Amino acid sequence: DAGVIQSPRHEVTEMGQEVTLRCKPISGHNSLFWYRQTMMRGLELLIYFNNNVPIDDSGMPEDRFSAKMPNASFSTLKIQPSEPRDSAVYFCASSLGQGPYNEQFFGPGTRLTVL
Amino acid sequence: AQTVTQSQPEMSVQEAETVTLSCTYDTSESDYYLFWYKQPPSRQMILVIRQEAYKQQNATENRFSVNFQKAAKSFSLKISDSQLGDAAMYFCAYRRNNAGNMLTFGGGTRLMVKP
Repeated sequence: DAGVIQSPRHEVTEMGQEVTLRCKPISGHNSLFWYRQTMMRGLELLIYFNNNVPIDDSGMPEDRFSAKMPNASFSTLKIQPSEPRDSAVYFCASSLGQGPYNEQFFGPGTRLTVL
Repeated sequence: AQTVTQSQPEMSVQEAETVTLSCTYDTSESDYYLFWYKQPPSRQMILVIRQEAYKQQNATENRFSVNFQKAAKSFSLKISDSQLGDAAMYFCAYRRNNAGNMLTFGGGTRLMVKP
């Protein structure tokens, strides 16, 4: 298996532009997580899907952020409009099930820079 | 809300020696799970070890072991016979029971291994 796939690996954009980050979970996994990692705030959970349904989005910073999971093999995280403070590494992770023994497998992350 | 604190931003260890990374957490729950993740320079998050709060026995995975002190809400990671490949960021994480598979991460400790 190729693991969790994220694209792009790096994204540089200008303030005000729309940014879309993509994630393909491991085949068969039914839970998907989006995290943001910054020096100031560390690694934060943004949103969590189970069976394509958003379960907890309390970590989404504000209305500029939205996430979708139209099917079991694809998810997007969109920022519109982007701001410099959104610069971070965004990770997607997936797991088979919701139990504590269902290890979360992380993708390589997308490094986003907003100028 | 649960918080996870790693008080050591950086640690260093001589190759082949032993190092202990600290983690404390705050929770009112009695049933939960604790994890240590490794993030090497490649950015890939890798699960190192898992501990169930209801188990008194400390988890061990080869050269990695934990010292779980439930009353003190402490969960340290011991790396024995340190190797150059152990150099990475290490994150402590907490998951309460019946919370899907949502993780709360500490701020991380950067471990340097000296040859």
